[in-house]
Amino acid sequence: EDQVTQSPEALRLQEGESSSLNCSYTVSGLRGLFWYRQDPGKGPEFLFTLYSAGEEKEKERLKATLTKKESFLHITAPKPEDSATYLCAVLDWGDYKLSFGAGTTVTVRA
Amino acid sequence: EADIYQTPRYLVIGTGKKITLECSQTMGHDKMYWYQQDPGMELHLIHYSYGVNSTEKGDLSSESTVSRIRTEHFPLTLESARPSHTSQYLCASTGQNYGYTFGSGTRLTVV
Repeated sequence: EDQVTQSPEALRLQEGESSSLNCSYTVSGLRGLFWYRQDPGKGPEFLFTLYSAGEEKEKERLKATLTKKESFLHITAPKPEDSATYLCAVLDWGDYKLSFGAGTTVTVRA
Repeated sequence: EADIYQTPRYLVIGTGKKITLECSQTMGHDKMYWYQQDPGMELHLIHYSYGVNSTEKGDLSSESTVSRIRTEHFPLTLESARPSHTSQYLCASTGQNYGYTFGSGTRLTVV
């Protein structure tokens, strides 16, 4: 059974203070790893898909990386508008249902 | 611009009422999903469909039912709403790239 563990559960940052979120996963065969951003009361918004170890993707202040056992979401010089819950999910070969982690709630103070 | 639409956005309803939450997508995706999420909590898969006339129950037991008569439409029905059904319901779909596109959700309150 696929397992996704995100840490920390919550992260409080000062504006400009860079940090990283961790997503550890266990799958029999990784088809893809997905990062989403979710604002309170809204549906998750797609950020990145990573398919193989060593792959990196960037979008504004966010950078996602992937190894064979975990993924990191790096937030560089965050701003208050980066405050949200960040969700990690994995898709196993032979399946079409994402397995989600519990998320990391990031709060960025001005 | 959203390509997957959920209505209503908010719903307050009395115990025992029958309700249907609507979900439609314009992307031609064959795979669609319903998730339940309480505030600050994890997403739980309650139903999914891989195509017309195909529906399956998810990991979380739910008293709701779904139907998939058309590719673009995946409604969720509660025959008799109870306060324990109070939650946010999120619909999602996916195509060839496997990443989900989520709707904005329906926040249901049963009083």
